[in-house]
Amino acid sequence: DAGVTQSPTHLIKTRGQQVTLRCSPISGHKSVSWYQQVLGQGPQFIFQYYEKEERGRGNFPDRFSARQFPNYSSELNVNALLLGDSALYLCASSQPGGLAGGKYNEQFFGPGTRLTVL
Amino acid sequence: AQKVTQAQTEISVVEKEDVTLDCVYETRDTTYYLFWYKQPPSGELVFLIRRNSFDEQNEISGRYSWNFQKSTSSFNFTITASQVVDSAVYFCALSEAGTGFQKLVFGTGTRLLVSP
Repeated sequence: DAGVTQSPTHLIKTRGQQVTLRCSPISGHKSVSWYQQVLGQGPQFIFQYYEKEERGRGNFPDRFSARQFPNYSSELNVNALLLGDSALYLCASSQPGGLAGGKYNEQFFGPGTRLTVL
Repeated sequence: AQKVTQAQTEISVVEKEDVTLDCVYETRDTTYYLFWYKQPPSGELVFLIRRNSFDEQNEISGRYSWNFQKSTSSFNFTITASQVVDSAVYFCALSEAGTGFQKLVFGTGTRLLVSP
């Protein structure tokens, strides 16, 4: 079975531009999460989407937005790019099922999209 | 507030040495989950283990073992007889049940270099 796929692999943009990153979850997974990993740091949570709705959001400005499509794939959009947005953007997918029910479903990560903002 | 601290930035060992990666966490939740992920140079995070807060049993999987101690809020990871293929950045992460969604809070990672 295919794992989580992300496109593009690499991207170079200039300050002020807008970017769209794409993620396809593992077949059967309905939840997608996005993380930002700045060089030398651990990944930081941006969003989690489940059944096309935002279920959680990290401490990121409104320039960051996302959506999930009926086939559960997802796009992350970043507007008005800043130099500090340069990072590896990771997508993770998981089976439905939340923590409240005492069941935790593993998040499986894709290879990431490396964004460079010049 | 949730926080994960990995005080060791980089560790260098020679093949066949044992190595322990430290992880200390902070959380106010009584129900939470702890994880270790491996990130090789390719960049993809590889899941290694999950532990919930009610299960303090240590676990061994081949050359890997994990020591979870709630009393010291630590979840340490030991690689026995390290190999060159173990070279990677290792992340410890925490997820609280109270948030209602699956947010992983990662530490800053420990880079492990295993030389032949």
